[in-house]
Amino acid sequence: NAGVTQTPKFQVLKTGQSMTLQCAQDMNHEYMSWYRQDPGMGLRLIHYSVGAGITDQGEVPNGYNVSRSTTEDFPLRLLSAAPSQTSVYFCASRGQGPSWLPYNEQFFGPGTRLTVL
Amino acid sequence: TQLLEQSPQFLSIQEGENLTVYCNSSSVFSSLQWYRQEPGEGPVLLVTVVTGGEVKKLKRLTFQFGDARKDSSLHITAAQPGDTGLYLCAGAPAAGNKLTFGGGTRVLVKP
Repeated sequence: NAGVTQTPKFQVLKTGQSMTLQCAQDMNHEYMSWYRQDPGMGLRLIHYSVGAGITDQGEVPNGYNVSRSTTEDFPLRLLSAAPSQTSVYFCASRGQGPSWLPYNEQFFGPGTRLTVL
Repeated sequence: TQLLEQSPQFLSIQEGENLTVYCNSSSVFSSLQWYRQEPGEGPVLLVTVVTGGEVKKLKRLTFQFGDARKDSSLHITAAQPGDTGLYLCAGAPAAGNKLTFGGGTRVLVKP
């Protein structure tokens, strides 16, 4: 049971380049989300999904696309990278239903550190 | 938009001292979670508080949810170097799935 895995761990892009951050979970969780973490700003929600084929925007969705074709995978795409997207990106997953239920603990991946030059 | 303010932003103490981290909002949350994050890793859930006035203890860590469910605190007794990390609070709204995170408190416990 690997939990939530993210690749790559580090990435450097030039402005305008595109890339996909990969996220996978093996816990059969319905709910998956992407966050970015910047100094002093905690975690901000980019996009989330409540199940395969269903995605929705979070707090800071501009410049990012997502899709959810399977329960296991939730990739995050940057179509045209900008320096403002330099950040650490975390993928998370949990079971369906209220987040406060004990069996709905949210698990985070180890993160991808992205630098856009 | 629901906002969560954490204070202080940074705390440096000696081993054996006590510390308290605060998480405040003007909004009501249905539940509040506390996470700890170590360098190079993702956050790990410590506790979830659900009922106004609730107090939960996890060894030397005590978590409290305010009566009005707008604020929370984390108190660490006799801190140890292993308590060093970034502590994040996150609030869940009454409806919906989106968590709102505070800005984090970086705690450094020196031996």
